Amino acid sequence: TQLLEQSPQFLSIQEGENLTVYCNSSSVFSSLQWYRQEPGEGPVLLVTVVTGGEVKKLKRLTFQFGDARKDSSLHITAAQPGDTGLYLCAGVFAGNMLTFGGGTRLMVKP
Amino acid sequence: GAVVSQHPSRVICKSGTSVKIECRSLDFQATTMFWYRQFPKKSLMLMATSNEGSKATYEQGVEKDKFLINHASLTLSTLTVTSAHPEDSSFYICSANGQGAIEQYFGPGTRLTVT
Repeated sequence: TQLLEQSPQFLSIQEGENLTVYCNSSSVFSSLQWYRQEPGEGPVLLVTVVTGGEVKKLKRLTFQFGDARKDSSLHITAAQPGDTGLYLCAGVFAGNMLTFGGGTRLMVKP
Repeated sequence: GAVVSQHPSRVICKSGTSVKIECRSLDFQATTMFWYRQFPKKSLMLMATSNEGSKATYEQGVEKDKFLINHASLTLSTLTVTSAHPEDSSFYICSANGQGAIEQYFGPGTRLTVT
């Protein structure tokens, strides 16, 4: 069974602060996706990373894929209350099946 | 991005009855659809993977006779919870991806409450 460890599980910060969420595995991913989910809704795809060392930016969000394709991080700059939600990393090890991390519940206080 | 819909968004049923949840890909053909279950404040747990025209592959611990999955077309998969019990109450989410695609696009989820 492939496992994805996501940290931290919970994060409560003030508006304007920066934060980083980590996703780690002992196995190599063929690709990794980051999702954001709000209560009562399905996850929304933020980004897909495929190449080791890849960095992608989405406004104030920066996604990195580790060189060895075993880890990834999501960095949010100057967090806003609208960033509040559950952030999920999900890796593809083989085929097209996703293995999800445990999620990071982020709360940004105004 | 691709759009996936689910129906109903919420359903309340009595113990012992069956409930069907539909998952549709609206603007692409979904060769594979996935069904997940999510408990409060937890991550998603994969229940089964279904490919159009073939039997679903269930994850370990998921009863295939209880959670019936049908993927009759490239745009529709259904999950039927048979003889529902209160412990089946949960948030059920489907996702889909097209042929050759690595991204999965998720439906908005269905909140099932069994009384």
